[in-house]
Amino acid sequence: SQTIHQWPATLVQPVGSPLSLECTVEGTSNPNLYWYRQAAGRGLQLLFYSVGIGQISSEVPQNLSASRPQDRQFILSSKKLLLSDSGFYLCAWSVSGTTDTQYFGPGTRLTVL
Amino acid sequence: GQQVMQIPQYQHVQEGEDFTTYCNSSTTLSNIQWYKQRPGGHPVFLIQLVKSGEVKKQKRLTFQFGEAKKNSSLHITATQTTDVGTYFCAGNQGAQKLVFGQGTRLTINP
Repeated sequence: SQTIHQWPATLVQPVGSPLSLECTVEGTSNPNLYWYRQAAGRGLQLLFYSVGIGQISSEVPQNLSASRPQDRQFILSSKKLLLSDSGFYLCAWSVSGTTDTQYFGPGTRLTVL
Repeated sequence: GQQVMQIPQYQHVQEGEDFTTYCNSSTTLSNIQWYKQRPGGHPVFLIQLVKSGEVKKQKRLTFQFGEAKKNSSLHITATQTTDVGTYFCAGNQGAQKLVFGQGTRLTINP
């Protein structure tokens, strides 16, 4: 069966520090991968999605970037965090080439102080 | 770009009352999906609707997809405390990504 992992689960970082969040999927090949951000009590904002290794589509211009160095690994990064980067970051995957169900990871709660 | 509007943003009910959340898209959708996020958790897939006018049921939950494939609703009959959470609709216009509504947060007075 397929599983999706995210780490860390929680993170507290000072403004201006770098960020690296990792997401890995097991049990499937060539998945579509997604990064979402959810502000407290708000909806899901799609940040990036990827349909293959090295292929990244950015949905919202900001100081974040994403990379997909391996088929089932998706990384969200920032060189300098802003206060507004605080939120709940969710990684998700779906079957390649389809518009089917998205399966979400447990998420990372990021607080920027 | 495609927008998906969801109302209401919040809904508080007494246990046993019904609950409905509505979703409207600015464009025709190829399908619509519904997700539930429990407090502190991550979104979990509930159902997908594909056909115009489609109605699907899961126990006390009834999902509808509009004839024009631009709107959808989720209705819960006789809510229970386990129904607490935020319900999201997500529309798909054919690309390999979803556009999520803002969600409806349901709280229940036992």
